[in-house]
Amino acid sequence: EAGVAQSPRYKIIEKRQSVAFWCNPISGHATLYWYQQILGQGPKLLIQFQNNGVVDDSQLPKDRFSAERLKGVDSTLKIQPAKLEDSAVYLCASSLSGGQNQPQHFGDGTRLSIL
Amino acid sequence: AQKITQTQPGMFVQEKEAVTLDCTYDTSDQSYGLFWYKQPSSGEMIFLIYQGSYDEQNATEGRYSLNFQKARKSANLVISASQLGDSAMYFCAMRQTGFQKLVFGTGTRLLVSP
Repeated sequence: EAGVAQSPRYKIIEKRQSVAFWCNPISGHATLYWYQQILGQGPKLLIQFQNNGVVDDSQLPKDRFSAERLKGVDSTLKIQPAKLEDSAVYLCASSLSGGQNQPQHFGDGTRLSIL
Repeated sequence: AQKITQTQPGMFVQEKEAVTLDCTYDTSDQSYGLFWYKQPSSGEMIFLIYQGSYDEQNATEGRYSLNFQKARKSANLVISASQLGDSAMYFCAMRQTGFQKLVFGTGTRLLVSP
């Protein structure tokens, strides 16, 4: 089966600019996640969708980050305006359901550099 | 609050030897799941193995096994017969009941030498 697809693979922008990332989950996976991974750290959950509804966005900086999952499939994550501390890898993951024992399958990530 | 601790920033092992990567966790829940992921230098996170808190047997997946000691709150990953391709970052993660988020440790970098 095809894995989680993300684009772009790399992005370089200046601070205060905006950027958007795209994610296409594994077919049939109801749950989609966006993580931020800062260099030297483990991934941190930004937002979790169950179909097209938000389950958890408690760690999403809502003043500058937004995410949507229209039609319960693809998702986009946007940052506007970007800050230097947003430099990180943004990982998208999906799972069959949000169940405790369901492994999450990750995409290759988007490496974002803010100048 | 749930927390994952990985105390080994780096580990070295020779090819064909076994290696244990440590993971301890903290939770007040009785029901939770523990996961190990591998992250090569290319960046993708690869799911390796899962252990449920009520599972009586230690999980195994090929060369990977999880040494689960519930009373000590530890979930160490054992890789048998290390291969050069095992060189990567390894993350331990935990998820509590319901839709609780997956919380990751800081990772252990494993280097396998010929």
